[in-house]
Amino acid sequence: EDQVTQSPEALRLQEGESSSLNCSYTVSGLRGLFWYRQDPGKGPEFLFTLYSAGEEKEKERLKATLTKKESFLHITAPKPEDSATYLCAVRPTNFGNEKLTFGTGTRLTIIP
Amino acid sequence: SAVISQKPSRDICQRGTSLTIQCQVDSQVTMMFWYRQQPGQSLTLIATANQGSEATYESGFVIDKFPISRPNLTFSTLTVSNMSPEDSSIYLCSVENLGGYTFGSGTRLTVV
Repeated sequence: EDQVTQSPEALRLQEGESSSLNCSYTVSGLRGLFWYRQDPGKGPEFLFTLYSAGEEKEKERLKATLTKKESFLHITAPKPEDSATYLCAVRPTNFGNEKLTFGTGTRLTIIP
Repeated sequence: SAVISQKPSRDICQRGTSLTIQCQVDSQVTMMFWYRQQPGQSLTLIATANQGSEATYESGFVIDKFPISRPNLTFSTLTVSNMSPEDSSIYLCSVENLGGYTFGSGTRLTVV
């Protein structure tokens, strides 16, 4: 069964203090690893899709990387508006299986 | 990317009643997905809805409890039937779009 584990559960950083969030996964075959940002009371907002080990994607202060077992979301010089829960999800390669398996998320708080 | 309009955004319902949640997409999509996010938990897929066929339910979810309609390629409804306090959750619809998945803003349901 596909599994996604995110760590840490919660992270508090000072504004400008860079760090990384981890997403470890077990899947029969990976067709995509997704990162989302979720603000309280809202639906997840799509950030990145990664498809193969070694791939990297960047957006503003965020950079996502992928290995065969885990993905990292690096946040550089974060600002208070980066405070949110960050979710990771995987989609397997099984034909006809579009199910995403989500981790429980990392709740990130950036302190001014 | 696709834009999803989901309503209601929140509701408080009496136990034993039913609530129908609607999702409207601004483009035609083959599959729509319904998720549940219980308090403090991550997203769990309830079912996948294809236009013109019966929805496919995940383990632990049944059609009698969560009937789904998919009358056309831009619209779907999820009904939460015979509600109990354990059904209090955020319910989200989602579509695949441009290599990722777009989510609606969610329906926060409280059953009293």
